[in-house]
Amino acid sequence: DAKTTQPPSMDCAEGRAANLPCNHSTISGNEYVYWYRQIHSQGPQYIIHGLKNNETNEMASLIITEDRKSSTLILPHATLRDTAVYYCIVRVVNNAGNMLTFGGGTRLMVKP
Amino acid sequence: NAGVMQNPRHLVRRRGQEARLRCSPMKGHSHVYWYRQLPEEGLKFMVYLQKENIIDESGMPKERFSAEFPKEGPSILRIQQVVRGDSAAYFCASSPGTSGSAYNEQFFGPGTRLTVL
Repeated sequence: DAKTTQPPSMDCAEGRAANLPCNHSTISGNEYVYWYRQIHSQGPQYIIHGLKNNETNEMASLIITEDRKSSTLILPHATLRDTAVYYCIVRVVNNAGNMLTFGGGTRLMVKP
Repeated sequence: NAGVMQNPRHLVRRRGQEARLRCSPMKGHSHVYWYRQLPEEGLKFMVYLQKENIIDESGMPKERFSAEFPKEGPSILRIQQVVRGDSAAYFCASSPGTSGSAYNEQFFGPGTRLTVL
């Protein structure tokens, strides 16, 4: 799986949009971009994933650049409960299933 | 619609004892993954199982650690003769393993926190 690079930490004001960047310049054509987050002491939580088109769900939006070398996770209205470590992971998706390779992630602190 | 369940949530063992961690996947999920998170570190993959089969154990230490996912019942991660370095949070995840948009998403349990005295 391709390696990802994320800033180690970010702050965001409550109610504002949180934009979390991720670089994955060596991504292959068959690799998806996945985002998970881990709120303190809890199990990781799936947020969203995409291949090349932008994606949106009830939690977040995922913007993938046209060359797919980077992406941004957007939490449109961050709340204090969004304080967590956010992991960007690129991986091949196939019927056999495969593990998630977690990097250091970005520690997002949402402040009042 | 229960999520992934793990028990116990907290486990304390003395050096040399055995630790057994259990994971019940989400209903309908046939794939189970185990991850370990050492204090202040990221999650590291250990093993991937399907019913009655170990598919990938490349992340599991060669000694003292074993995993199973029997036809009936939960998946078990077993650590024999625990040492202080085994103290960590152990997370289990499951996925459907069949085709479809969600077939490869992994859903995590709350984890088991193992403390070795």
